[in-house]
Amino acid sequence: ETGVTQSPTHLIKTRGQQVTLRCSSQSGHNTVSWYQQALGQGPQFIFQYYREEENGRGNFPPRFSGLQFPNYSSELNVNALELDDSALYLCASSLPVYRGDYGYTFGSGTRLTVV
Amino acid sequence: QQQVKQSPQSLIVQKGGISIINCAYENTAFDYFPWYQQFPGKGPALLIAIRPDVSEKKEGRFTISFNKSAKQFSLHIMDSQPGDSATYFCAASLDNYGQNFVFGPGTRLSVLP
Repeated sequence: ETGVTQSPTHLIKTRGQQVTLRCSSQSGHNTVSWYQQALGQGPQFIFQYYREEENGRGNFPPRFSGLQFPNYSSELNVNALELDDSALYLCASSLPVYRGDYGYTFGSGTRLTVV
Repeated sequence: QQQVKQSPQSLIVQKGGISIINCAYENTAFDYFPWYQQFPGKGPALLIAIRPDVSEKKEGRFTISFNKSAKQFSLHIMDSQPGDSATYFCAASLDNYGQNFVFGPGTRLSVLP
């Protein structure tokens, strides 16, 4: 059984650019959530995807968008990057809530630095 | 109301000692309370979790105590080991959208040998 894999592990972008982060979910997990973790803080929920549809969104602007593919992998896209977008971006996969399993499996994250 | 407060910010414990981390929440709709452990360069990993119908849950050296009336819960690490040195996050979940957690700000635990 493979875990959650994220790519790339590190990324440096210039303010105003666009970035795409990728996530492969754990085998058997069809729900993917994305979190932003600023340095020294707890993760903050960005959004969740289930069956290729957005299934909940946190307090993030529309320039944060996502996709989920039929194989349950997912992308996080951020447009018009700002310096404050510098953070660790975490992907977490899980079983659907109706299965009664509330455990997330997190990937190791993508460290994004905006300069 | 969506906030989860966590204390202390950092904690230093001698090997073999008890580490205690406390969390508090406001939203009574939260119905699932996990604790996550995060090592540098890694994503958070689920340690132990509890639901509000249970006042205590123990798994090995880790115990969650839950006080529903006070809207507080805590993590106790018994016989703390240097390998437990990590950042610990409490979290809370609303069940409406499934598993979208509100995380506390974290506690950096250092266990001295």
